[in-house]
Amino acid sequence: TQLLEQSPQFLSIQEGENLTVYCNSSSVFSSLQWYRQEPGEGPVLLVTVVTGGEVKKLKRLTFQFGDARKDSSLHITAAQPGDTGLYLCAGAYRYNQGGKLIFGQGTELSVKP
Amino acid sequence: DAGITQSPRYKITETGRQVTLMCHQTWSHSYMFWYRQDLGHGLRLIYYSAAADITDKGEVPDGYVVSRSKTENFPLTLESATRSQTSVYFCAAGQGAYNEQFFGPGTRLTVL
Repeated sequence: TQLLEQSPQFLSIQEGENLTVYCNSSSVFSSLQWYRQEPGEGPVLLVTVVTGGEVKKLKRLTFQFGDARKDSSLHITAAQPGDTGLYLCAGAYRYNQGGKLIFGQGTELSVKP
Repeated sequence: DAGITQSPRYKITETGRQVTLMCHQTWSHSYMFWYRQDLGHGLRLIYYSAAADITDKGEVPDGYVVSRSKTENFPLTLESATRSQTSVYFCAAGQGAYNEQFFGPGTRLTVL
């Protein structure tokens, strides 16, 4: 079974704190994406990382792809209540499998004011 | 620029009834997908399509039927709804080398 494991599953923090979400697999991915989903809405693509060791920044969010392209992390600096939501990582394999992605189970983040 | 639309947004039906969930994209992305999202299971792929008239099963296809006669539309039909099909259903479209997907707003389906 092809799996992407996210940790932690739940995270409740105060505004201003930093946090890191991890996404791990035993498989190598050609690319990895992070999505954010707010209640009542569909997931929205935040970023795609494609090169081992790649780091991308989106304002206070920093995304890193592992050197071996098996894992990724999302770091949020000075979290704000607007960051609350479900964060999903998703990987694509080297050989296109019908455009499919493997999704992690998600990390439910709650940022309290 | 609507992107992906899903209809209806909410649906209540009874066990045994046929239900069709609609999905329409304003782009011309090759791939389209149907997922269901349940607590504790994340997003599970039901069916996907690589192009018009090409569809394939995903992880949880039983009880569902899809068709794709036009690139922009990808309806999902529950032939005889069961309570276990109560869920939130998301349609997505995607293309490109990195398989990026763009999701609709979802349909919340309740089967009584």
